[in-house]
Amino acid sequence: DTGVSQDPRHKITKRGQNVTFRCDPISEHNRLYWYRQTLGQGPEFLTYFQNEAQLEKSRLLSDRFSAERPKGSFSTLEIQRTEQGDSAMYLCASTGTGSSGANVLTFGAGSRLTVL
Amino acid sequence: AQKITQTQPGMFVQEKEAVTLDCTYDTSDQSYGLFWYKQPSSGEMIFLIYQGSYDEQNATEGRYSLNFQKARKSANLVISASQLGDSAMYFCAMRDGTGGFKTIFGAGTRLFVKA
Repeated sequence: DTGVSQDPRHKITKRGQNVTFRCDPISEHNRLYWYRQTLGQGPEFLTYFQNEAQLEKSRLLSDRFSAERPKGSFSTLEIQRTEQGDSAMYLCASTGTGSSGANVLTFGAGSRLTVL
Repeated sequence: AQKITQTQPGMFVQEKEAVTLDCTYDTSDQSYGLFWYKQPSSGEMIFLIYQGSYDEQNATEGRYSLNFQKARKSANLVISASQLGDSAMYFCAMRDGTGGFKTIFGAGTRLFVKA
């Protein structure tokens, strides 16, 4: 198992363009999370999935943001009509649903978005 | 609403000394989990330690211990015998334990370990 993979690692785009990020979680993990992190701040929760069901979305997630996890495995996060304020690191994390109360988040390396 | 507060934007500690990073939280849930993560300059988030709200003993993991004071709603991280490699951002986080599984993070504390 190679951990949580995110692609691309870096994306530079012009304002108004659409971008899509992909996350491949640890294979046996059925919960998948997206966070946004700006420089010097903590990760902000965006949304999470249990299997293919999107169970919660943050109010931070405007209608320009959409996330999917169609088969309960990998997930995509799309940002339409990007704005300069969308520039951030987008982190994906996954966790299992074992009996341990910890259910520790395992994070990917992140996808850094720069909107010019 | 749940909230995590880390009031120390930056902390300095001398190598080999102990340091305490503060974290307070707010929740109306009875069941919740508290976590600390480390984020070095390379960017990856590394799990350090976990404390469940019903755990009576403070959690320890090697040089890390969590000073859990439930009545005060605090979950401070203590790092003993600091090493240069401990220089990083440290985030306190909380997971809702009753019905939801969202984990929220504080703003973080940057720790600088001096040689």
